[in-house]
Amino acid sequence: AQSVTQLDSQVPVFEEAPVELRCNYSSSVSVYLFWYVQYPNQGLQLLLKYLSGSTLVKGINGFEAEFNKSQTSFHLRKPSVHISDTAEYFCAVSERVDSSYKLIFGSGTRLLVRP
Amino acid sequence: DAGITQSPRHKVTETGTPVTLRCHQTENHRYMYWYRQDPGHGLRLIHYSYGVKDTDKGEVSDGYSVSRSKTEDFLLTLESATSSQTSVYFCATKQGTSPGNTEAFFGQGTRLTVV
Repeated sequence: AQSVTQLDSQVPVFEEAPVELRCNYSSSVSVYLFWYVQYPNQGLQLLLKYLSGSTLVKGINGFEAEFNKSQTSFHLRKPSVHISDTAEYFCAVSERVDSSYKLIFGSGTRLLVRP
Repeated sequence: DAGITQSPRHKVTETGTPVTLRCHQTENHRYMYWYRQDPGHGLRLIHYSYGVKDTDKGEVSDGYSVSRSKTEDFLLTLESATSSQTSVYFCATKQGTSPGNTEAFFGQGTRLTVV
């Protein structure tokens, strides 16, 4: 079964500084990877996804992620964060089970942007 | 945004009572998922459905059952609520076309407290 590991439970960073949120997944023949964001008291929304092709994926709000097959990683980055980026970020992998698909999430990383 | 409605949004119940949470969608999505969100654990999959009357277990299915008698509704039942089931529950949906690589849409969540 697939699993997703987010190594950092919380990442504090100052406004306008760069940030990287780490995600590692268990190996599979083919994999679909996602990053979701959850703002306080809301559901999750998609930031970006990797399906195939270019290993650098761009998403909304200036975020991007790089897929690294050899390291089984899909780290999320932003070159300059804003206060409004304060939220919880979840990495997820789509796992095929017979003819259906599960969506498995990591434990989340809380990004805290300080002025 | 996908039309996903969870009800109730908040519920307090007593230990040992049955509880049913409802997820209703208006997007005609084939896939529906139930997750629970707990601090330090991220989102954990309880059950999911890949069509009417087609359901399967997730990683934390003990003590929960589901039913899907029509496309738009996915019910989660706690057969005999326990304090360990106090959590925030999220429903998500996905379209059936290329379900492995498409975006999941989330409801606003149901906060359940078992006393």
